Amino acid sequence: GAGVSQSPRYKVAKRGQDVALRCDPISGHVSLFWYQQALGQGPEFLTYFQNEAQLDKSGLPSDRFFAERPEGSVSTLKIQRTQQEDSAVYLCASSLDVRTIYFGEGSWLTVV
Amino acid sequence: DAKTTQPNSMESNEEEPVHLPCNHSTISGTDYIHWYRQLPSQGPEYVIHGLTSNVNNRMASLAIAEDRKSSTLILHRATLRDAAVYYCILRDSGNQFYFGTGTSLTVIP
Repeated sequence: GAGVSQSPRYKVAKRGQDVALRCDPISGHVSLFWYQQALGQGPEFLTYFQNEAQLDKSGLPSDRFFAERPEGSVSTLKIQRTQQEDSAVYLCASSLDVRTIYFGEGSWLTVV
Repeated sequence: DAKTTQPNSMESNEEEPVHLPCNHSTISGTDYIHWYRQLPSQGPEYVIHGLTSNVNNRMASLAIAEDRKSSTLILHRATLRDAAVYYCILRDSGNQFYFGTGTSLTVIP
């Protein structure tokens, strides 16, 4: 497809379980962003990559959250020892020149 | 530390123009003003952006105040498909996009 692809689309995790969320950006897009969106709220910035370099991770809420983009294309957001407050939609976005960013449909995480 | 302020919700009749306001009194000289919209169960979608001058595209128009402390997104003829949450966003020189809570637009048939 031509857009940003995220998987899984829906994930139910038991509290304490580790989860990994994958993002396939638009081909050739050097910039990649992760956002967290709680129910009824706007997306909140988590982290930003330019190619394989993680230039900003100031939005990651705790050291349980880790993101990587080892080859400058696909990215994975990993959440260790999930907690109920981690339940949210995790949005990935990519951009060629950062003037316009293109979002995927998100990965919906529910921690029970 | 929200950088933009928008009304929580607005209503419009179908086929009428809609003016969605946004205040950004702390905007810096290098911040771009972006608008995105989010339909239910989808990721945000780009609408329009600008720096100082008013902008027009096929989806909407963006009117930016002379002091840049506010802006207005204008949908010229609202359709039912325009019902969404509209986010006014400032993009700083670090290329971060700061979303607020947005305006939920209801279009009445």
